Amino acid sequence: GAGVSQSPSNKVTEKGKDVELRCDPISGHTALYWYRQRLGQGLEFLIYFQGNSAPDKSGLPSDRFSAERTGESVSTLTIQRTQQEDSAVYLCASRFRDRSSYEQYFGPGTRLTVT
Amino acid sequence: RKEVEQDPGPFNVPEGATVAFNCTYSNSASQSFFWYRQDCRKEPKLLMSVYSSGNEDGRFTAQLNRASQYISLLIRDSKLSDSATYLCVVNWAGNEKLTFGTGTRLTIIP
Repeated sequence: GAGVSQSPSNKVTEKGKDVELRCDPISGHTALYWYRQRLGQGLEFLIYFQGNSAPDKSGLPSDRFSAERTGESVSTLTIQRTQQEDSAVYLCASRFRDRSSYEQYFGPGTRLTVT
Repeated sequence: RKEVEQDPGPFNVPEGATVAFNCTYSNSASQSFFWYRQDCRKEPKLLMSVYSSGNEDGRFTAQLNRASQYISLLIRDSKLSDSATYLCVVNWAGNEKLTFGTGTRLTIIP
C-alpha cells in the first residue's frame, strides 16, 4: 500500500518568507508526527497529532512554527518568517495507534533551504 | 547530557566481519527501544524493536540492559548493503514521541 508522502520534496526560500510543508500519512493511521533533522544531527521531535488534535506541541522551536491536521489525514507544517537556522529536512511519520507497536513510518521528508 | 547517546563513528568494517554498536539513554522511565536504519538522504526505517530478553532477526541481535541503561546492536556476517547510519531510538512511558540518537555511521568495505 501507499506509504507516507510529503511535498514538496525540496524547497528553497528566501529568509523572511513563509513556507508550508505537507504530509499525507498512511491511510487509517490515527497518529501523525513531525520531526526535523538538521545536517549531521539526530531527529528532533516537533509535534504530535492524535486525530486532528495536537496533545503534544512541545518540540515546536518558536511561535513561527505551527501545524494543523484536518480530516484525520493530511497535515500541514507552516513556518513563518523563515530564518537560516530553519534549514533542515522536515520528516513526517504516522502510525496506527494501538498498544502493540510504537513503530512509526516515515515519509521521505522535505528538504528546506533558507537562503 | 543528551537523552540518547551514540558513538557517531564512522565504523569502517570489512565485509563478513561482526560489528557492534552501543547506545545509552538517560531517562530510566524509558519504555520502548528500537534500532532504526537511515540510508544517505533517505528517511529512517525501523530495523528492529529491542526487547528486555534480547532478540534476534537473522544476522541482527539486539540487547537491552535496563540496569545500566544501554542498548546494543550486533551485526554478524556484515554485507555491503548494511552500510548506513544506525539510529538508537527510545520512547518514554506515557509519551508519544520518539527520541533519537544522532546515529552511528557504518561503512562495510569490500
